[in-house]
Amino acid sequence: NAGVTQTPKFQVLKTGQSMTLQCAQDMNHNSMYWYRQDPGMGLRLIYYSASEGTTDKGEVPNGYNVSRLNKREFSLRLESAAPSQTSVYFCASSEEGERAGELFFGEGSRLTVL
Amino acid sequence: LAKTTQPISMDSYEGQEVNITCSHNNIATNDYITWYQQFPSQGPRFIIQGYKTKVTNEVASLFIPADRKSSTLSLPRVSLSDTAVYYCLVGAAFNKFYFGSGTKLNVKP
Repeated sequence: NAGVTQTPKFQVLKTGQSMTLQCAQDMNHNSMYWYRQDPGMGLRLIYYSASEGTTDKGEVPNGYNVSRLNKREFSLRLESAAPSQTSVYFCASSEEGERAGELFFGEGSRLTVL
Repeated sequence: LAKTTQPISMDSYEGQEVNITCSHNNIATNDYITWYQQFPSQGPRFIIQGYKTKVTNEVASLFIPADRKSSTLSLPRVSLSDTAVYYCLVGAAFNKFYFGSGTKLNVKP
């Protein structure tokens, strides 16, 4: 049981380049999340998806796009990377009901934009 | 947008009980309260969740007063390995869960 898997784990980009962070979960969860965490800071919500085909903006959506094409996968795309997007990105998923607050996180994707 | 307020940091010594309090004045009726632990270079890890009164599991207890406007995470007999950042979240199904700044717990020998 892999849980939440993120790829890549590390990436270095030049300003203006684009890339997609991939996230997949095998727990049959409907809800999925993308967060970013800057050094010494808490996690900030970028985008949220309550189910396949639906997405909603979080606290810091500017500069990002997301895609939830199926129940398992939720991808985060940077169309034109900026140094301010250097961060660690975490994907998470959760079920509904009473356990909705129990988020399962991936190991993170460390992105550096030069 | 975080719905919670926590102390920025706390110090403790090995073997002591540590209580971290979180304020969530605008908690909604259907919101649960959840606590997470995060070590450097790792994603947050679920510790405990509750709705009201007291919840206990093998690693922590969660105390929630009747008005539910605050909650207290209690870690019994902490060790050096409990040094981490602790976050409290409030929310319900299909909510967007926001993390605040968390509480950095430093356990000293």
